[in-house]
Parts: sequence; structure tokens; C-alpha cells
Amino acid sequence: DAGVIQSPRHEVTEMGQEVTLRCKPISGHDYLFWYRQTMMRGLELLIYFNNNVPIDDSGMPEDRFSAKMPNASFSTLKIQPSEPRDSAVYFCASSPHRGGANVLTFGAGSRLTVL
Amino acid sequence: AQSVSQHNHHVILSEAASLELGCNYSYGGTVNLFWYVQYPGQHLQLLLKYFSGDPLVKGIKGFEAEFIKSKFSFNLRKPSVQWSDTAEYFCAVNINTNAGKSTFGDGTTLTVKP
Repeated sequence: DAGVIQSPRHEVTEMGQEVTLRCKPISGHDYLFWYRQTMMRGLELLIYFNNNVPIDDSGMPEDRFSAKMPNASFSTLKIQPSEPRDSAVYFCASSPHRGGANVLTFGAGSRLTVL
Repeated sequence: AQSVSQHNHHVILSEAASLELGCNYSYGGTVNLFWYVQYPGQHLQLLLKYFSGDPLVKGIKGFEAEFIKSKFSFNLRKPSVQWSDTAEYFCAVNINTNAGKSTFGDGTTLTVKP
């Protein structure tokens, strides 16, 4: 398996523009997570899905952020409109169901810079 | 809600020195514990995990961690570090009854001087 695949790896955009980050989880993994990493706040869980259903989106910062998982092999994280404070590395991770113990496999991350 | 505390933000060691990184969590029930590592420019990857059984767990590259339930701790250790261990280390906790959600500590940056 190629692992968790994220795109784009790098994105530079201007404030106000829409940003869409994409993730392909490992085949057969039931859980998908979106994390954001910044120097100030560390690694934050934004949202996670189980079997394509959003379970907990309490970490989504505000209404400008939305995430979808239309099928088991694809998820998107969208920011509209983007702001400079959204600049961060966004990681997608997936894990299999293991009865309560989830070992995460992370993607390479999408580094977002909002000017 | 559970939380994870890593006491050291930045640790600097010389090669061959011993390493111990602290991790404490706040949750009174059954937990699963993890250490992840992020090498420069790379994504996070699993270093080791504790689910149950022997509280001393061994991971890759000579790392080990000890779960001490009474202290709510899961410290990471390595007897002799190498320059290639330079990385950021994250402790994470997952409550056994909440299958999905892992909470991460703020991370500890380890710099090993050659």
C-alpha cells in the first residue's frame, strides 16, 4: 500500500481564496483524521470520520472550515475564505478499527501558506 | 476530556547520552498510549505503543517506554542516543472507550549533537 496520500504538498494562496486539501486513506482503514500542526498550538485534531461519517468535529476552528468524506477512499478539507492565521501543516491520518486502540498512519502533510 | 502533558519542549544532548522524555496524561480510566516521532521534513510515524500487559514496551530504534499507572506517566527512554534521533517526539493518549480520538501532547524537540 502507498500509505496515506495527501495533496497538494504545498499550497501558497492569498487571503480570501478557497483552499481544498485532499486525502486518500489506506485501503481498509475505517477511521480518517484531519490534524493541523502549528508552532503555537502544536498538533490539533480538527475532525475525524468513522466509516465515512463525521464523528467529532469539535476541533474545527470555525465555519470557514468544512470537511467531507464522500467515500471510503477520499476526503477533503476545505477552507473558505482562507486567512493568514490558517497557515499551518495539515495532516491526514487513517487507522483500522482495533477495538478501541487506533494506531495512526499519517500522510506527508499539506503545508499551507496564506498571504 | 483527556489531556497530555510533555514537560520538555526542547532537549539537547550529545551522542551516546541517555534520553528520557516525560509524558503525563489526565484520565482515570483505561488508556492506550503512544509515542510518535517526526523526523525533520517528514510525517509523524509510530515509535511504540502500549495497549495492555507488560508496562515496559519496546519500540523501534532502541526506544522504550514505561507505563506507570499510579503516576499517569508514559516516559520515553533510550540508553544511548544517536545524531539520527534528532526529531520531534509526540506522546498521545487514546481512551479505550472512545475508539477514534487520540489526543497529542505539544511535542518535544530533541537535538542530538554529533
